[in-house]
Formats: sequence, structure tokens, C-alpha cells
Amino acid sequence: DIQMTQSPSVMSASVGDRVTITCRASQGITNSLAWFQQKPGNVPKRLIYAASSLQSGVPSRFSGSGSGTEFALTISSLQPEDFATYYCLQYNTYPPTFGQGTKVEVK
Amino acid sequence: EVQLVESGGGLVKPGGSLRLSCAASGFIFNTYTINWIRQAPGRGLEWVSSIHSISKYIYYGDSVKGRFTISRDNAKNSLYLQMNSLRAEDTATYYCVRDYGDDGAQRFDIWGQGTMVTVSS
Repeated sequence: DIQMTQSPSVMSASVGDRVTITCRASQGITNSLAWFQQKPGNVPKRLIYAASSLQSGVPSRFSGSGSGTEFALTISSLQPEDFATYYCLQYNTYPPTFGQGTKVEVK
Repeated sequence: EVQLVESGGGLVKPGGSLRLSCAASGFIFNTYTINWIRQAPGRGLEWVSSIHSISKYIYYGDSVKGRFTISRDNAKNSLYLQMNSLRAEDTATYYCVRDYGDDGAQRFDIWGQGTMVTVSS
């Protein structure tokens, strides 16, 4: 199975900060990666697919980058509604595997 | 509206069985692979199982292999997960999630609201 190593596990940040979360795949997955946001009690929401394509309706402050084994989710200017947990998902090879999650909390 | 709605969760004793259902609407169900993904309380997301659009391919995670069975009825736009020999560690919210392999824009894009399964004596 492909292991997805996501970092950091917890990030303390302030409104307006630029935030970057990374995911490393244990082997190459081309661009078959998605990013999800989950708030407590809510269903995960897809933000990014194909590593860098923005989901319709998602604010442009969210962006994704990377290919192969190294990927990043960047929030250019953190907003109050962005405090949440973020997960990456590789879907290049079965089984699909998630990163362990990054909780973005208030500094 | 594109929608997935899970049902069938509940409280079950260790060793017991439960059958989850997922009803699809708003899209051509028989063209999509559908997945079950679960999340234990306070934990991350774990892929459980998937079934090809016409059941040609079926996959299971190691933690459920031999105990869970995924199936679908395309005439009823429905997906199922038969869970047997349940363990405490199967306690989680179970989501059904659609996937369209030929289009990156439709990979794991639609999630149901989830159904909670609690395995406890």
C-alpha cells in the first residue's frame, strides 16, 4: 500500500497567515491526489483534485501543488472559517490512502 | 441534486452483524465506482471498500477483508455493506463516496452525510 505522510499534524496559525500543509507519498502517484477539509461534525469537503485543480465553489485562497511524491496545500491568507482539519488522499493505486490529517488551530 | 444518503447504522454487540445502505440520486449511478470510507470517533479517514460500476472489480481494506461484503443494485440506485463479525474497532461513521476513474474532477467528489456504527456490549 502507498503510505501518505502528512505534516504537520497540528498547526497553530492566525487569521491572515499563509499556511502550507504537505503530503509525501511512499511511491510516485503522478497527480492523483485530492485535498479535503473537515470541520467538527461535518462531512469531508473536497477542496482540490488532480493535485492542483480547484473544486468549484472553493475560494481561490486555496491552492494545491506537486506531482510524483511531494504535494502541498496552501492557504494564502487564512480566514476564520478555515480552522479545520485537512486530509490528503491518493487515488492513483488501490487501496486509496489518506494522510493522517492536519489540524489547523487558532494560535 | 447529486446526493448519496446512507442508512442502517446503529448499536450492535461485538460479533454481531449490520447492513448499511446508500441511496444515490441525481447522477447516473451505474457508471460510477462507489466507495465506503469510515472515520472512527476523533480519528482520521480510512478507506474500507469499493465496487466498480457494474461490480466487475471489488476491493476491501485489510482490516475488513473476510468480514465485510460490498454489493450494489443498479436498478435501485443503491449500494450496500454487509458487516459481519463486528469488532469494537469497527465503531465509526461510515460514508459512501462516489468515484469516476476516467475524470479527475469526479474522483471522490460526492460524500453522503454518513451513518454511525457503534460496536459495544
